[in-house]
Amino acid sequence: GAGVSQSPSNKVTEKGKDVELRCDPISGHTALYWYRQSLGQGLEFLIYFQGNSAPDKSGLPSDRFSAERTGGSVSTLTIQRTQQEDSAVYLCASSLPHITSGGNYTNSMSSYNEQFFGPGTRLTVL
Amino acid sequence: DQQVKQNSPSLSVQEGRISILNCDYTNSMFDYFLWYKKYPAEGPTFLISISSIKDKNEDGRFTVFLNKSAKHLSLHIVPSQPGDSAVYFCAAGSSNTGKLIFGQGTTLQVKP
Repeated sequence: GAGVSQSPSNKVTEKGKDVELRCDPISGHTALYWYRQSLGQGLEFLIYFQGNSAPDKSGLPSDRFSAERTGGSVSTLTIQRTQQEDSAVYLCASSLPHITSGGNYTNSMSSYNEQFFGPGTRLTVL
Repeated sequence: DQQVKQNSPSLSVQEGRISILNCDYTNSMFDYFLWYKKYPAEGPTFLISISSIKDKNEDGRFTVFLNKSAKHLSLHIVPSQPGDSAVYFCAAGSSNTGKLIFGQGTTLQVKP
């Protein structure tokens, strides 16, 4: 089946411009995550959507960053007034529903919340 | 505050030998751990995982060991193959949340 797809694969923009990055998760995956990987760095968590719950935005580095997930499927990460330090590879991942301590979701526990990643969008801010 | 750390940025081993990649964590709330492998220009792919109720999980050439008291896990690849050359990320999560915290990655080079 189709995996996680992201578009565009590469984006070059000028400092101060806004950019939108798109993620199409695997069908049936209600959990969606955004990460970024700056040059020489690890994966930095940005935001996490789970079903209809309020997203976990704890990783967004500034208020210039925002994300939406429409219809529980496609997600868009928007960066306003881009800065050079925003240059990175932005990775999207999706997974099956995740169980919480309240038991609100079912989960394939054998997968340990395995996240499937897209190929990423390389953003370069000039 | 780096909750998951991979202190070795790179590792080079000879084909056929064992590769050992290490990872340390600080948050005692983490109760499952995963290893991902990443090739250039591709997204990370899942390799192997372990729950905190276990201390070892094996899948073919890959074995993950967990030492909870030391808050340390390691990935063993034996025998190593040139195709294993990639960046390896460890990740940790808590069953109370869905997000994973990743380490900085270790670049493994397996020489023929």
